[in-house]
Amino acid sequence: DAKTTQPPSMDCAEGRAANLPCNHSTISGNEYVYWYRQIHSQGPQYIIHGLKNNETNEMASLIITEDRKSSTLILPHATLRDTAVYYCIVRVPMNYGGSQGNLIFGKGTKLSVKP
Amino acid sequence: DAGVIQSPRHEVTEMGQEVTLRCKPISGHDYLFWYRQTMMRGLELLIYFNNNVPIDDSGMPEDRFSAKMPNASFSTLKIQPSEPRDSAVYFCASSFLSGVDRGYGYTFGSGTRLTVV
Repeated sequence: DAKTTQPPSMDCAEGRAANLPCNHSTISGNEYVYWYRQIHSQGPQYIIHGLKNNETNEMASLIITEDRKSSTLILPHATLRDTAVYYCIVRVPMNYGGSQGNLIFGKGTKLSVKP
Repeated sequence: DAGVIQSPRHEVTEMGQEVTLRCKPISGHDYLFWYRQTMMRGLELLIYFNNNVPIDDSGMPEDRFSAKMPNASFSTLKIQPSEPRDSAVYFCASSFLSGVDRGYGYTFGSGTRLTVV
C-alpha cells in the first residue's frame, strides 16, 4: 500500500508556480521523501528528495513540514513541458538499511500546465 | 551516457508466444529493476537485482514470468507463454547504491509497450 496521499489532479497556469502537496502522516524517522514525475509515454524521472530539511535543485524545491507529515513540491515557473504525473514516495534509502531497495508508486497527481 | 536502453520499444505478439524484453543499464550501476505499468494497477515492481543477483522477485505475477541478469550490462524479462492480460508497458531502471541519496535517483528506460493479442 502506498504510504502517501496526493490529489488526483491539479491545474497550473504557464509561468506560475506549481505547488503539489503530499500527505505522509505515517512516515517513520528514517524514511525519506522522494518525488518523481512521468511525462506521457516516458519512464519516470527523478526530481528531488529530502529527509527533513527543505531542498532545492535545478528542477524544483521540496518543502517538508517540521513534523514531516506532509510536503510540497514546488515548480517555480511551470512550463507546458512540466505537464506530467507527479509521484510522491516515502522510503528508507538502501544505503541506510532499507530492506526494500525499490520505489513503490501510488497514483500520483496529474499536473496540467495550461497556456 | 545513453541512459537505460530497452528493446524493443513496441512488441505485438499472439497469445501463447514467448516474449523477451531486453534492458541495458547504465554502466557502473549495480541495481536493476523491472517495473510494469497498466492503467488499472499503475506502476508495479516485478523484480530487482543487485550485482546481477535477484534480490526480490515477489512482484513477479506468476511462473510464466522470468528474469535474468547474466552480466552487469544486460538483463532480460521473459514471458512464456504470453497472455492478453500481460499487455502493459514494461520499464527497466537502474541505480547505484551510493548515488541514490546523492541526488541521482533511479534512471528509467523508455519502456517496452507489449500488446498480446
